[in-house]
Amino acid sequence: IAGITQAPTSQILAAGRRMTLRCTQDMRHNAMYWYRQDLGLGLRLIHYSNTAGTTGKGEVPDGYSVSRANTDDFPLTLASAVPSQTSVYFCASSDSGADTQYFGPGTRLTVL
Amino acid sequence: TQLLEQSPQFLSIQEGENLTVYCNSSSVFSSLQWYRQEPGEGPVLLVTVVTGGEVKKLKRLTFQFGDARKDSSLHITAAQPGDTGLYLCAGDTSGSRLTFGEGTQLTVNP
Repeated sequence: IAGITQAPTSQILAAGRRMTLRCTQDMRHNAMYWYRQDLGLGLRLIHYSNTAGTTGKGEVPDGYSVSRANTDDFPLTLASAVPSQTSVYFCASSDSGADTQYFGPGTRLTVL
Repeated sequence: TQLLEQSPQFLSIQEGENLTVYCNSSSVFSSLQWYRQEPGEGPVLLVTVVTGGEVKKLKRLTFQFGDARKDSSLHITAAQPGDTGLYLCAGDTSGSRLTFGEGTQLTVNP
């Protein structure tokens, strides 16, 4: 069982380019989340989805969009990347909003 | 304003020392979780506390939930280099979503 997978592992991107970070879970969890982590410290919630077909904005949603077409996949799109979006991005899932969250290995994104 | 305040933010100690990290809030939590994140990986759950005053032990780690369910602490006895990592607390106030603290970066030097 893979749990949560993220792709790519790392990416260097020119400013202004569009980028989609992929996240897939095989645990049939209802809820999924995207966080960014800067300077190796706290997690900031970008977007979340409580169930397939629904999404919500987190603490720092500007410049990002998500979709949840099915239970397993939760892609995060940067429409036009900017250097301030340089960060490590973590996808997570949980059975419900307050349950244990299971994290993917992260995507390290650098925007030049 | 950060809902969950963790302290200290950084902690560097020698192997064998004891330490305590704190997670405080003005809000009451239905439950509180502690995660550890090792370099290059995602956070992994260590423990969940749900009852005010609850104490849970995980080998050399002792977790306590405050009586009022507004704060928690993590105590590590005889720290080892393998304990190095980022320790995050996360609280549930409404049953809808967790809120994470900023984390405590612990370095245990051999």
